[in-house]
Amino acid sequence: GAVVSQHPSRVICKSGTSVKIECRSLDFQATTMFWYRQFPKQSLMLMATSNEGSKATYEQGVEKDKFLINHASLTLSTLTVTSAHPEDSSFYICSAWGQGVSDTQYFGPGTRLTVL
Amino acid sequence: AQSVTQPDIHITVSEGASLELRCNYSYGATPYLFWYVQSPGQGLQLLLKYFSGDTLVQGIKGFEAEFKRSQSSFNLRKPSVHWSDAAEYFCAVGPPIPDKLIFGTGTRLQVFP
Repeated sequence: GAVVSQHPSRVICKSGTSVKIECRSLDFQATTMFWYRQFPKQSLMLMATSNEGSKATYEQGVEKDKFLINHASLTLSTLTVTSAHPEDSSFYICSAWGQGVSDTQYFGPGTRLTVL
Repeated sequence: AQSVTQPDIHITVSEGASLELRCNYSYGATPYLFWYVQSPGQGLQLLLKYFSGDTLVQGIKGFEAEFKRSQSSFNLRKPSVHWSDAAEYFCAVGPPIPDKLIFGTGTRLQVFP
């Protein structure tokens, strides 16, 4: 099956710094990638949808200037949390879909972000 | 409004016992329904999905789910639970083309030996 990876799996940073999280589709071309956020013991909430070569579409309430998403190639999307604060600490999960590849999204293993 | 409800936050069963996790949805169009499992600190693994056809779908790890349109439900079942099934289970609904998935709040399954 299709494999999606994320890097890093865990990151700890100081408040005010920026953190970049990578999401890669390893064995297929991802037409669309999704970024979700999961708070402890809660469900996943979609943050944004990105199509290769296009600007990301953000869900209502998600600050696009704070959560920068880039989908520059068909196998890589990045989420940059700018000027991170403790309230940004969360589990970030990406998923990917490739047109003609599958009829569903494949999820990455997630990235645990802790902002001190 | 589009939503997914998983009424049971936490379920505890004995190993070998049967299991049913409930899922109810509200969706304006034809729903595509999914069940995912998440182990602690891990991503989501797809257990099964329903798009159309036979309303009883088989998934991995011995799980099955039944779509009941009249009840807006998509309950997950397993006849005999194994200790390794302990995890968080999420039901989700979405459109035909992979797009925004709406997740339920999850059910935490605990399995006693």
